[in-house]
Amino acid sequence: KQEVTQIPAALSVPEGENLVLNCSFTDSAIYNLQWFRQDPGKGLTSLLLIQSSQREQTSGRLNASLDKSSGRSTLYIAASQPGDSATYLCAVSSNTGNQFYFGTGTSLTVIP
Amino acid sequence: GAGVSQTPSNKVTEKGKYVELRCDPISGHTALYWYRQSLGQGPEFLIYFQGTGAADDSGLPNDRFFAVRPEGSVSTLKIQRTERGDSAVYLCASSLWSTPTDTQYFGPGTRLTVL
Repeated sequence: KQEVTQIPAALSVPEGENLVLNCSFTDSAIYNLQWFRQDPGKGLTSLLLIQSSQREQTSGRLNASLDKSSGRSTLYIAASQPGDSATYLCAVSSNTGNQFYFGTGTSLTVIP
Repeated sequence: GAGVSQTPSNKVTEKGKYVELRCDPISGHTALYWYRQSLGQGPEFLIYFQGTGAADDSGLPNDRFFAVRPEGSVSTLKIQRTERGDSAVYLCASSLWSTPTDTQYFGPGTRLTVL
């Protein structure tokens, strides 16, 4: 079974800092990888989706990279803002189906 | 347009009781997914529907859990003889189709507490 790990579990940074969130997965046979944001009491919002054939995706201040062979992905957030405070979840889609395997998330706090 | 909605937002029940959780997907979305998120964990897949049929129910933990989607739109997750370990946030998501490239849109979840 696919295992997804996210490090660190929690992160607190001052506003304006650039930061990197890490995700690793055990089975490299994935179809795609997604990064989600989860705010308290709300559902998940998809931030970036990387197909298995791609190496990175960018959206605004966010950049996600994928190294499928080593089972790793990173989410880079530039010039962090207090509004970025949330839990960030990494999920991989299996190659054989529609199941998403989620990590346990990184709780980010950006201090004004 | 409207997103995925889930009702109730919170449900408190006693051990042994039966509960139903409802999900209204985005209009026109053919695929619907249920996940369970325990405290401090990421969401865990339970079941997904393509149309009216359950295409994959391998994530349902045991036979106390059952889900239906009789008309291919609204879905109900049913839990019999609830146990304290069933306490979690139950998330529903929908997508236009069920290919892995389709973005899943998540609802706000139902927080279930079993006393």
